[in-house]
Amino acid sequence: KAGVTQTPRYLIKTRGQQVTLSCSPISGHRSVSWYQQTPGQGLQFLFEYFSETQRNKGNFPGRFSGRQFSNSRSEMNVSTLELGDSALYLCASSLDRSITGELFFGEGSRLTVL
Amino acid sequence: GQQVMQIPQYQHVQEGEDFTTYCNSSTTLSNIQWYKQRPGGHPVFLIQLVKSGEVKKQKRLTFQFGEAKKNSSLHITATQTTDVGTYFCGGGAGNMLTFGGGTRLMVKP
Repeated sequence: KAGVTQTPRYLIKTRGQQVTLSCSPISGHRSVSWYQQTPGQGLQFLFEYFSETQRNKGNFPGRFSGRQFSNSRSEMNVSTLELGDSALYLCASSLDRSITGELFFGEGSRLTVL
Repeated sequence: GQQVMQIPQYQHVQEGEDFTTYCNSSTTLSNIQWYKQRPGGHPVFLIQLVKSGEVKKQKRLTFQFGEAKKNSSLHITATQTTDVGTYFCGGGAGNMLTFGGGTRLMVKP
């Protein structure tokens, strides 16, 4: 079956712009988590959605937001981009994180902010 | 909040040598997961440990979960060049999975 699909794979933005990233989870998976990966900070948890509800949120400013649709697809948005937002944004899906399922990661969206 | 620390940050080994990475949590975990990320790739699930003191093996890889469920280790016996990558532990507590900073393994042939 198809894996986790993230779009776009690469994008370049300038400071002050906003960006929307998309994630389609594995069919049947209802939990979608987002992580920011940078060389210095590793995998930082952004938020997790389950059945269109945000269940958990990491320690990121309000410029980072997300949502989940009824088909479990998820989007995350970063407004007023800063240079430090340059990173690989990874989406991961699971059947239901609350029952400690493994995470299936997508290839990621690599964002460069100039 | 929960913090997960992983050491070492980097490890160079000669092919055939053993390798170990350690993971420590500031809080008791309900489970721990290990992932491998090849250079340029995305994290891929290796294993999950749930029970106190649990030990699991996958060929040359041995995973342990501490008795207090606050630490874990991954040991690779006789490394191969295919083992190259970054190994992450993820500590689970409730719905949250908090990752350590990862250990980047480099193997010299």
